[in-house]
Amino acid sequence: NAGVMQNPRHLVRRRGQEARLRCSPMKGHSHVYWYRQLPEEGLKFMVYLQKENIIDESGMPKERFSAEFPKEGPSILRIQQVVRGDSAAYFCASSPFPRGHNQPQHFGDGTRLSIL
Amino acid sequence: AQSVTQLDSQVPVFEEAPVELRCNYSSSVSVYLFWYVQYPNQGLQLLLKYLSGSTLVKGINGFEAEFNKSQTSFHLRKPSVHISDTAEYFCAVSKSQGAQKLVFGQGTRLTINP
Repeated sequence: NAGVMQNPRHLVRRRGQEARLRCSPMKGHSHVYWYRQLPEEGLKFMVYLQKENIIDESGMPKERFSAEFPKEGPSILRIQQVVRGDSAAYFCASSPFPRGHNQPQHFGDGTRLSIL
Repeated sequence: AQSVTQLDSQVPVFEEAPVELRCNYSSSVSVYLFWYVQYPNQGLQLLLKYLSGSTLVKGINGFEAEFNKSQTSFHLRKPSVHISDTAEYFCAVSKSQGAQKLVFGQGTRLTINP
């Protein structure tokens, strides 16, 4: 059973470009969470999505960031007009149920975004 | 809102020695507690979790943690560490009701010296 798949593993962008990060949840999981890890910091929650719905985006920056989880295909975290401060590791996690604490979130290996 | 404080940013330990990584949390509502481990350039792997019941929780790789409600702590322990335990360890909480988003501490870098 494949785990949470994130791609690309490493992404380099120049300031002002767009970054698209993809996350395919574990099979049977319909809940996706995105977290950001800045250098020397812990992970910070960004957004929680179910298929075709954004449930909680309280951790998303107000501008330039968006996320989606379409009916078919992976979840996408999109960052427009990237700036140096966007350099971080972005992690995706999935779970089968919203309150499935007996089956906690499973994390992908992350996408390391570097802004030149 | 919930918050997590990991009191030590770095912990160096000799191989086969015991180790304790400290975690304190703050919350006005009931929470679940987790410890995750992150190896270099990898994602997070769940070590153990506390949901309810016995306050002593055993996890993978010989780790255990004790939930102390009065001290709002969830310290991680291992009686004898191995070189392969070198990694970053994160304590996290989530509300027991509602959205399952995790609130993480800053992490503790555990370094095992031979």
